[in-house]
Amino acid sequence: SQQGEEDPQALSIQEGENATMNCSYKTSINNLQWYRQNSGRGLVHLILIRSNEREKHSGRLRVTLDTSKKSSSLLITASRAADTASYFCATGSRINNDMRFGAGTRLTVKP
Amino acid sequence: DTEVTQTPKHLVMGMTNKKSLKCEQHMGHRAMYWYKQKAKKPPELMFVYSYEKLSINESVPSRFSPECPNSSLLNLHLHALQPEDSALYLCASSPLLATRGSGANVLTFGAGSRLTVL
Repeated sequence: SQQGEEDPQALSIQEGENATMNCSYKTSINNLQWYRQNSGRGLVHLILIRSNEREKHSGRLRVTLDTSKKSSSLLITASRAADTASYFCATGSRINNDMRFGAGTRLTVKP
Repeated sequence: DTEVTQTPKHLVMGMTNKKSLKCEQHMGHRAMYWYKQKAKKPPELMFVYSYEKLSINESVPSRFSPECPNSSLLNLHLHALQPEDSALYLCASSPLLATRGSGANVLTFGAGSRLTVL
């Protein structure tokens, strides 16, 4: 079952612009992760933020986490056409080894 | 080896067939997952194996039967499927952390097996 919602469902921007995607979740979490999926292929892990962290950076990626609002955002700066993909947040419970995915955002970066 | 290998890449089967999807990893991960993904939807968790034991079954119909013969292999046996079972089936693995409740299980995914049921 899906963990939460992401918005926007689809985002289209020009190369060089920044892209922001949001994720909301429902349950108490240990950490929140973001994954990327190119069309019809496996998912690739991008970044993880723990429940006691508020912000994390990795290259052109910046993730924030607000546990009081049960929400996270992923910012991709200076986007490139190669960033075109679907982006999903995923959360795992504190006890199980389950990882459940949000609805995802389909990002299109136009050259 | 940092890969998860899934076979076959594509599978077409009739509703009366019996087939299997296979998944293999050699990263020493002790958790393995099956997800089902329909077009333009997120992956849906089906099964989780921890230390070769089934730890999560998301009320998946019995026509899907998982098997974990050893720590490197995960199978999904398919029997009497319906056309609505057509989807991309994704396998993933992750390390299991020793300390309960401090998990940060990063998943490594295979490329998926695209199943079409006629």
